Formats: sequence, C-alpha cells, structure tokens
Amino acid sequence: QQKVQQSPESLIVPEGGMASLNCTSSDRNVDYFWWYRQHSGKSPKMLMSIFSNGEKEEGRFTVHLNKASLHTSLHIRDSQPSDSALYLCAASPPSSFSKLVFGQGTSLSVVP
Amino acid sequence: EAAVTQSPRNKVTVTGGNVTLSCRQTNSHNYMYWYRQDTGHGLRLIHYSYGAGNLQIGDVPDGYKATRTTQEDFFLLLELASPSQTSLYFCASSGTGGDSYEQYFGPGTRLTVL
Repeated sequence: QQKVQQSPESLIVPEGGMASLNCTSSDRNVDYFWWYRQHSGKSPKMLMSIFSNGEKEEGRFTVHLNKASLHTSLHIRDSQPSDSALYLCAASPPSSFSKLVFGQGTSLSVVP
Repeated sequence: EAAVTQSPRNKVTVTGGNVTLSCRQTNSHNYMYWYRQDTGHGLRLIHYSYGAGNLQIGDVPDGYKATRTTQEDFFLLLELASPSQTSLYFCASSGTGGDSYEQYFGPGTRLTVL
C-alpha cells in the first residue's frame, strides 16, 4: 500500500484549461510536501514545496496544503502543452527532510 | 544549477551478474540518494547517505548494497542481479536547510536483467 496516494492516475486537459492534481499521505508522521515534475525521458525536477497550512503561488502554479487531513493539491492554470508530464508528490517527516516518500504520480496531458 | 551525473546510462546484464552503478555530484551536497522508478510505483528510495562513509537504509533495500566513498561519489551495487531489479535508477543529491533540501536528480541509468 502506497503511503502517498495521488489522484487521478492520469488527466487530460485542454490547452488554456485548469489542471488539478491531488495527493494524500496515509502516514500521519509527515509534515512537509514537495511536488516534482518529470517530462518524458527526463529526470524529475522540483516544482514547488509547501511546509505550512494554506496556499503558495508561483506563476501559473498554486499549491494548497491541509495538514489536518495530510492533503495537498497542485493547480495549474492556463495549462500549456509543455506542462504535459508526470507529476510526483512527495512527503517527509519533520525529523528527516531528506527522506522523501513519493506517490505513484499523475500523468498530465495538455492537448491543443 | 546542481549537477549530478550517472554512469553507465544503459546496462544489460544476466541473472546472477554483478552490476555497479556510479553517481557523482559536484555541488558539495551532503546528501545523496539512490532511487528506482517503476511504472505505477513512482520513485522508491533504495539507500541514501549524508556523507562519506555513511549509509542509511531506504524503503526497498533488499538485494542492493551502496557505498559513499567521497563527498562526491555514491555507488549502488547489485551483487546477484535478478530480473525483478530491471528498472530505471536515479541518483540524487541535496543540501540541508530550507530550500536546500530540494533534491537534484541525475539523468538515470536504465538497467535490464535478463
């Protein structure tokens, strides 16, 4: 059983649309969340991190975190074909920022 | 941008064979990691290290050994390779403190065990 669950497994959105990705940890001993993006054939790269309850925005990307439910979501507005990628959510406990547990990923396709 | 290199990029071996995957980072990062990536499982941590001579067990360590010889170099050893170890292997590194915990990944090594 994956300790970090992501949904949906795959998502298709039209160019210019909004993509919403979800991630929940079943391990209550986590406190910090990261979102990584992996384009096809490439290595993962960190997109955003969030450590506190609430919302964080960077350009077209917004991340929400609810620590009580251990749920985070990533929203991409004005989606572009270049956003098509595998999005990986990761969580870590406060005692060990370095030890990440990744979810299985959401595959996003943005179609013209 | 942080630089992490891996070698070889592709490797084919037979069941029972010995394989060593190499990783080097040139960013003076303390932490280095070995992951495997399989469809439906995301990234799974095999071993990691916070400095030369240190080794920490990850979440899927069975069948793997690792050694950190210097600040820059981290090796993953498969001494009796099995087909279940066919996978895409990523090495990563990170610093400590705030955003320094961001992990930087190498280009990956695709391993096939026949």
